[in-house]
Amino acid sequence: DTGVSQDPRHKITKRGQNVTFRCDPISEHNRLYWYRQTLGQGPEFLTYFQNEAQLEKSRLLSDRFSAERPKGSFSTLEIQRTEQGDSAMYLCASSLAGTRGNYGYTFGSGTRLTVV
Amino acid sequence: KQEVTQIPAALSVPEGENLVLNCSFTDSAIYNLQWFRQDPGKGLTSLLLIQSSQREQTSGRLNASLDKSSGRSTLYIAASQPGDSATYLCATIFSGNTPLVFGKGTRLSVIA
Repeated sequence: DTGVSQDPRHKITKRGQNVTFRCDPISEHNRLYWYRQTLGQGPEFLTYFQNEAQLEKSRLLSDRFSAERPKGSFSTLEIQRTEQGDSAMYLCASSLAGTRGNYGYTFGSGTRLTVV
Repeated sequence: KQEVTQIPAALSVPEGENLVLNCSFTDSAIYNLQWFRQDPGKGLTSLLLIQSSQREQTSGRLNASLDKSSGRSTLYIAASQPGDSATYLCATIFSGNTPLVFGKGTRLSVIA
């Protein structure tokens, strides 16, 4: 297992179009997280899954955003009717969490979205 | 509100210098703390993870300390090199089921 994979690496889209990103976590990890990062800022939490259940969503996740993790494996993040303000780096991370603790996050390389 | 603050926002040092990056957090009852490195336009690379019961962790030229009572962590980089130039991010889990909360990072430049 080579880590967390994200696809695509870059996406340029026109305002109003829909986009979908994919994340493949480390296979042994039960938690998967989506973050958004804009220039000069730290990553901001969007949502996370434990196995296939979506446990928390940030207020940043407007109704144009939807995330899924079917069968508790890979995850997709879809943005509908993109706006220029959606331009950012979208980061995916996974971790192993259980009764004995959380063993740290591993991040993917990110998907850079540019809305023109 | 649970927040993570990193000071300074940017730092420039000559090669070979030892340096300290600072991180503070608003709630001392943290679950764990993680330091990351981010190169421009890239994802995050985990450097060190400190569990709440630990005081420090070391990896090569890097040493991270944790003082929960004062709400602080420091990342010490020994004998800095130009290849250390990057943004360093501190992040913490404030309770078991909450997600990692990040600071804005410190942008480090090591000048040859």
